[in-house]
Amino acid sequence: NAGVMQNPRHLVRRRGQEARLRCSPMKGHSHVYWYRQLPEEGLKFMVYLQKENIIDESGMPKERFSAEFPKEGPSILRIQQVVRGDSAAYFCASSPRGRRTDTQYFGPGTRLTVL
Amino acid sequence: AQKVTQAQTEISVVEKEDVTLDCVYETRDTTYYLFWYKQPPSGELVFLIRRNSFDEQNEISGRYSWNFQKSTSSFNFTITASQVVDSAVYFCALSEASGGSYIPTFGRGTSLIVHP
Repeated sequence: NAGVMQNPRHLVRRRGQEARLRCSPMKGHSHVYWYRQLPEEGLKFMVYLQKENIIDESGMPKERFSAEFPKEGPSILRIQQVVRGDSAAYFCASSPRGRRTDTQYFGPGTRLTVL
Repeated sequence: AQKVTQAQTEISVVEKEDVTLDCVYETRDTTYYLFWYKQPPSGELVFLIRRNSFDEQNEISGRYSWNFQKSTSSFNFTITASQVVDSAVYFCALSEASGGSYIPTFGRGTSLIVHP
């Protein structure tokens, strides 16, 4: 049973470029969560999505960041016009039912470096 | 509002020592779940345990054990006879069953360093 998949594992971008991070949830999971982890810090929630719906984006910066989870294919976290402060590890998690008390299973993360 | 405190930022032990990682939580909900995750140096987050608020029985899994005490709002994690491979950052998290957020609250993590 494959776990949560994220790619790429490492991504290097220059300031002003776009970063596109992909997440495929565990089989049978239709709820996806994105988190950001800055160096030496804990996990910060960004956005929670179901297929074709954004449920909670209260942790997303208002500008440059967007997320989607289409009917087919992986969830995408898109960062436009990246800046050095976007350098972080981005984790995706999935859960089966989206209940408040579901266990979230995490992917290996994408480490974004902005030069 | 839910809150998780991991007061120990970093713990350093020598192999074979026992070590306890503290987790104290705050919640107004009577039904909630607590979690521990491990983040080794390779960076991925590994789920370790999930415990609901109605089950105060301690859990043991090999060298790992968890002590859940509602009276002190704590869910502490003990590693017995620690090994170098236990070196990681450990996160405690809380989810409320009826709270306003679907999102668990994570503590800031405790970095455990096990020296050979």
